[in-house]
Amino acid sequence: DQQVKQNSPSLSVQEGRISILNCDYTNSMFDYFLWYKKYPAEGPTFLISISSIKDKNEDGRFTVFLNKSAKHLSLHIVPSQPGDSAVYFCAASITGNQFYFGTGTSLTVIP
Amino acid sequence: KAGVTQTPRYLIKTRGQQVTLSCSPISGHRSVSWYQQTPGQGLQFLFEYFSETQRNKGNFPGRFSGRQFSNSRSEMNVSTLELGDSALYLCASSQLGQVSSYEQYFGPGTRLTVT
Repeated sequence: DQQVKQNSPSLSVQEGRISILNCDYTNSMFDYFLWYKKYPAEGPTFLISISSIKDKNEDGRFTVFLNKSAKHLSLHIVPSQPGDSAVYFCAASITGNQFYFGTGTSLTVIP
Repeated sequence: KAGVTQTPRYLIKTRGQQVTLSCSPISGHRSVSWYQQTPGQGLQFLFEYFSETQRNKGNFPGRFSGRQFSNSRSEMNVSTLELGDSALYLCASSQLGQVSSYEQYFGPGTRLTVT
């Protein structure tokens, strides 16, 4: 069973606009969430994380929002740049044990 | 610090053979996790080792096994290979021990093709 879901396989955004990537989870015990970016032929690269005690975490152009009641998190990239084109994975865990990953969203930023 | 390294990067095997993949974590990282990535399935958790002990295991058959050495390096083994085992196998290390250290750092992966 897929405990972490990314329902949009792909997303296209114009350069300079906002990219919003979404992720839903089913296990209310998850308390730590991460976003990764993956380029072809490379391993995923850690982007940003959030613990369940927060509802927002920012790092430069990247902001992650967590809505625990809806079991939903999202990653906002503002402004989007062509170099952001990659596959983005969200992941969830219970206190860092065994991360569950979504199936990924392929983001294309159009120059 | 050097990143997570995985060897080999590419591997072609035939059905029925066995394979061993290797992972060297970032220096100081004691937790190593293995994932299988296939198209449309995302990253599926295989197992996690910490201080030479398997702490967590995903839902994979017993043909998939692993171990961790005292220097935190890890190997995973797949016996009796099947066509469906063709995938990218990713290794990730993390520091653990601190709430801020749950981030996992991934290696480039080993692309296994079973023919």
